Amino acid sequence: AQTVTQSQPEMSVQEAETVTLSCTYDTSESDYYLFWYKQPPSRQMILVIRQEAYKQQNATENRFSVNFQKAAKSFSLKISDSQLGDAAMYFCAYRRGFQGAQKLVFGQGTRLTINP
Amino acid sequence: DAGVTQSPTHLIKTRGQHVTLRCSPISGHKSVSWYQQVLGQGPQFIFQYYEKEERGRGNFPDRFSARQFPNYSSELNVNALLLGDSALYLCASSLGQGNRNQPQHFGDGTRLSIL
Repeated sequence: AQTVTQSQPEMSVQEAETVTLSCTYDTSESDYYLFWYKQPPSRQMILVIRQEAYKQQNATENRFSVNFQKAAKSFSLKISDSQLGDAAMYFCAYRRGFQGAQKLVFGQGTRLTINP
Repeated sequence: DAGVTQSPTHLIKTRGQHVTLRCSPISGHKSVSWYQQVLGQGPQFIFQYYEKEERGRGNFPDRFSARQFPNYSSELNVNALLLGDSALYLCASSLGQGNRNQPQHFGDGTRLSIL
């Protein structure tokens, strides 16, 4: 069974600074996707960024980027120029890569606080 | 376009009762998945439905059941409610099984409280 671990229950950062959230996962498969989701107090889970395991290039979405280390099974999220609106719970998630796979395996989450 | 909609937003039940939660996927999405998120934890997968058939089931007791309708909306049913069923129930939709590179889109969830 696949597992996802987020070892940082809480993180805080000054506005405009950079913060990195950690995630490790365990799987015996070679074809999979990794995701970072953001969940603000409004509760809706919002996709931040995704990475396909076969792609060596790290994904980037504006101020959000990942450091994907496949051999180490590590998938960290870097948020640059942090903004107050980035405050939320962040979840790392894993999904198998075959067609039809929909089950997401989530980590425990990291609560990110942005200090003005 | 409307996103994934869930109803009700919040529900209070007592132990032993039954509850039905509803989800309408994004237009054009044929796959619906259900997750349970206990306070302070990450979501746990309950079910996935595609074309009205169950395509995946998580490690939940038989008290949990679901179905998908011809319009691709879905219901999650929980019988004989326990205090431990108190959680946020999330519904997510996606296009379906023909496209491997597709994200899931989540609704705002239903907060279920058991007294």
